[in-house]
Amino acid sequence: GQNIDQPTEMTATEGAIVQINCTYQTSGFNGLFWYQQHAGEAPTFLSYNVLDGLEEKGRFSSFLSRSKGYSYLLLKELQMKDSASYLCAVMDSNYQLIWGAGTKLIIKP
Amino acid sequence: ETGVTQTPRHLVMGMTNKKSLKCEQHLGHNAMYWYKQSAKKPLELMFVYSLEERVENNSVPSRFSPECPNSSHLFLHLHTLQPEDSALYLCASSQGSPGQGGNEQFFGPGTRLTVL
Repeated sequence: GQNIDQPTEMTATEGAIVQINCTYQTSGFNGLFWYQQHAGEAPTFLSYNVLDGLEEKGRFSSFLSRSKGYSYLLLKELQMKDSASYLCAVMDSNYQLIWGAGTKLIIKP
Repeated sequence: ETGVTQTPRHLVMGMTNKKSLKCEQHLGHNAMYWYKQSAKKPLELMFVYSLEERVENNSVPSRFSPECPNSSHLFLHLHTLQPEDSALYLCASSQGSPGQGGNEQFFGPGTRLTVL
């Protein structure tokens, strides 16, 4: 079966760095997405990785290792507004998105 | 604002009611999606439309009936639902067809559905 694993919840301190991991087992691979979802709001796109390596976008970076079936989202200089759920999703060989259950990130002052 | 709107934002209905959820995208996208989001569970893809034709139906019960009259509008008609259908229903759209890699999806704010 297809499976996306990510931690259920993480806590970090304002100003610090946090890494949210995602491991996947899917039938084929056509890219990995990270989305941010604040409570009661729509998921919003953060990043897309299809090749191995690190993609940096301001305070957020996303890393992919296809051979390991592994990705992480790195958030630097954490702000209170970064408190949200972070969703990992993999596009399989049928171009269907397989979603993880999300990681709830709590930022403390 | 993502360019995708959904109405109503909240809906409470009895098991014998019939209601409809509406989604509209203002982005000129070609594909639209319905997802179900339950607490602490992954997003479940329900239906996909590409250029107004249904291309995916993931074994969704017949009490959920989608309708896509044009590329900007998507409906989800609900009838005789069960309490376990209570969830957040999200609509999304993307530029290209679902068969293209790298197509980010833009989500609406969702409809919070409670079935009594």
